[in-house]
Amino acid sequence: DAGVTQSPTHLIKTRGQQVTLRCSPKSGHDTVSWYQQALGQGPQFIFQYYEEEERQRGNFPDRFSGHQFPNYSSELNVNALLLGDSALYLCASSLVDRDTGELFFGEGSRLTVL
Amino acid sequence: DAKTTQPNSMESNEEEPVHLPCNHSTISGTDYIHWYRQLPSQGPEYVIHGLTSNVNNRMASLAIAEDRKSSTLILHRATLRDAAVYYCILFSGGYNKLIFGAGTRLAVHP
Repeated sequence: DAGVTQSPTHLIKTRGQQVTLRCSPKSGHDTVSWYQQALGQGPQFIFQYYEEEERQRGNFPDRFSGHQFPNYSSELNVNALLLGDSALYLCASSLVDRDTGELFFGEGSRLTVL
Repeated sequence: DAKTTQPNSMESNEEEPVHLPCNHSTISGTDYIHWYRQLPSQGPEYVIHGLTSNVNNRMASLAIAEDRKSSTLILHRATLRDAAVYYCILFSGGYNKLIFGAGTRLAVHP
């Protein structure tokens, strides 16, 4: 039973560039959430996708966008990268009909913006 | 969202019990108390959760105060692998959205 997988694991970009991060949820899960974790801080909620639509969003600018595909996998896109976007980006999956607070996280994609 | 307060860091010796405290004085009646931990270079992982009664599972025990304004995550015999950041989170439903604080960084010494 595959868990949550994310790619790439590490990447380096320069200011102003765009980045796409990918996530495959745990088998059987239909909801994907994305979190940003700056160094030394707890993860911060970016947004959540269900049925290919953004269902709720945290306090992040429109430069952060996402997509969910029919197979439930998801992408996180960040445009016009800033130095402050350097962080670990975590994907978490869950089941829409089990609103229990139990999320399954991937190991994250570490983005460095130079 | 109701907030939690945890110590920034704690230390323990291997094979000793560890009690990780969490204060949540503004908890509401519908808030569940969740604990997650994040091992180095990994994403957070679910540890345990409870509402009013103490809870046990294979990873840990959760002791909840009678007034629910505080709780304690108990690791019965710490191992080196338990060195991680532990997050105490209140969750009352709502699309499985979790609000993380800074957590407690636990160091385990041989």
